[in-house]
Amino acid sequence: GAGVSQSPRYKVAKRGQDVALRCDPISGHVSLFWYQQALGQGPEFLTYFQNEAQLDKSGLPSDRFFAERPEGSVSTLKIQRTQQEDSAVYLCASSWTAADEQYFGPGTRLTVT
Amino acid sequence: AQSVTQPDIHITVSEGASLELRCNYSYGATPYLFWYVQSPGQGLQLLLKYFSGDTLVQGIKGFEAEFKRSQSSFNLRKPSVHWSDAAEYFCAVVGASGGSYIPTFGRGTSLIVHP
Repeated sequence: GAGVSQSPRYKVAKRGQDVALRCDPISGHVSLFWYQQALGQGPEFLTYFQNEAQLDKSGLPSDRFFAERPEGSVSTLKIQRTQQEDSAVYLCASSWTAADEQYFGPGTRLTVT
Repeated sequence: AQSVTQPDIHITVSEGASLELRCNYSYGATPYLFWYVQSPGQGLQLLLKYFSGDTLVQGIKGFEAEFKRSQSSFNLRKPSVHWSDAAEYFCAVVGASGGSYIPTFGRGTSLIVHP
């Protein structure tokens, strides 16, 4: 595939359930970012990987949020014990280096009921 | 800490009219600046970027932006808007701090195009 892909595109979870969101970056891209986008807002930074190393996770809102990129390619964002305030679109982006332009996936819309 | 302000939540223009979307940033040094566009249900697509050099930057789809250090601004312009330009536009700033390039996005400006 030529672009960044994310799955699932839509996820409905009951409050308290765990969810896992997947991101497939562009092949060869070193940097991978996760963002949370609330309705009517811009993307908010969550965390950033350089290859398999998580260099910054300062944007993760709580210890219920966890991200990994074990082989430096595919990444998974996991949210444990989901809450209603977790409802948002989760965007993944990849780039050659951290300062370069980012290529975004279509996002996963998470709704917590 | 870096920040971005997009003062206009909505902008309405007629097709064929010119467009300017405002972006002001706050950062201690010269940042990297970006404009992205987001169509409904889509991810963000880069329109243009400024790293250094010429302060007038050309992008895709006929867009341009001008970096003005004295005003801490990076406004996006297009001389003639097409109906397909209707979308959400985001300005972003990236500042290198200890080698961690954390982007900050503005809240976005929604562009409405009237026929």
